[in-house]
Amino acid sequence: QSALTQPASVSGSPGQSITISCTGTSSDIGIYNYVSWYQQHPGKAPKLMIYDVSNRPSGVSNRFSGSKSGNTASLIISGLQAEDEADYYCTSYRTGSTVVFGGGTELTVL
Amino acid sequence: QLQLQESGPGLVKPSETLSLTCTVSGGSISSDSYYWGWIRQPPGKGLEWIGSIYYSGSTYYNPSLRSRVTISVDTSKNQFSLDLSSVTAADTAVYYCARHVMLRGVFDWFDPWGQGTLVTVSS
Repeated sequence: QSALTQPASVSGSPGQSITISCTGTSSDIGIYNYVSWYQQHPGKAPKLMIYDVSNRPSGVSNRFSGSKSGNTASLIISGLQAEDEADYYCTSYRTGSTVVFGGGTELTVL
Repeated sequence: QLQLQESGPGLVKPSETLSLTCTVSGGSISSDSYYWGWIRQPPGKGLEWIGSIYYSGSTYYNPSLRSRVTISVDTSKNQFSLDLSSVTAADTAVYYCARHVMLRGVFDWFDPWGQGTLVTVSS
């Protein structure tokens, strides 16, 4: 099954805001609000950052936010910090009781 | 605090079966609304959902792996397991287990995750 589409890389300077997009189809992001985002530092397990499109788990900085429009979900990181440099993955429920991940986006803090 | 820990061989020969176990601590695997999932990540690549299981034994698998995957659960040991048959080098990956939330009959987020275990397929 095809993955969700994310940009391979994005970058930003400290203090700036960046957006990572995640494009799916009318079988996943387009009709379900079950989109989540994960942060992964090198050699570490992924960490949940956003669930159900725009909800933050307890303990996650409010600099992280999420949104959705049509078949595309977005992760927004404001006030970029060096510690935000990591890989980010989106995932969504897809019709047919399956789950699909995005290919991942490498965030570089300049 | 719920914790998950993967265990199993780090090296598997081609054509054999990869077997891993995930031990859940700090909570019961027999919880409503939670499935328990396996996700893998080949070196330098992205994440791929393998499948998820409920404590009753109900399973859902990634269609691309369904023919080779079996996930089982042992509630007495608070563990669930993954078997992946007929492995090739393409199955070399870090394998993660995670709690998989299901709401209103739909899969939702994964949290928390185990630390992951690298399995290499090589003769």
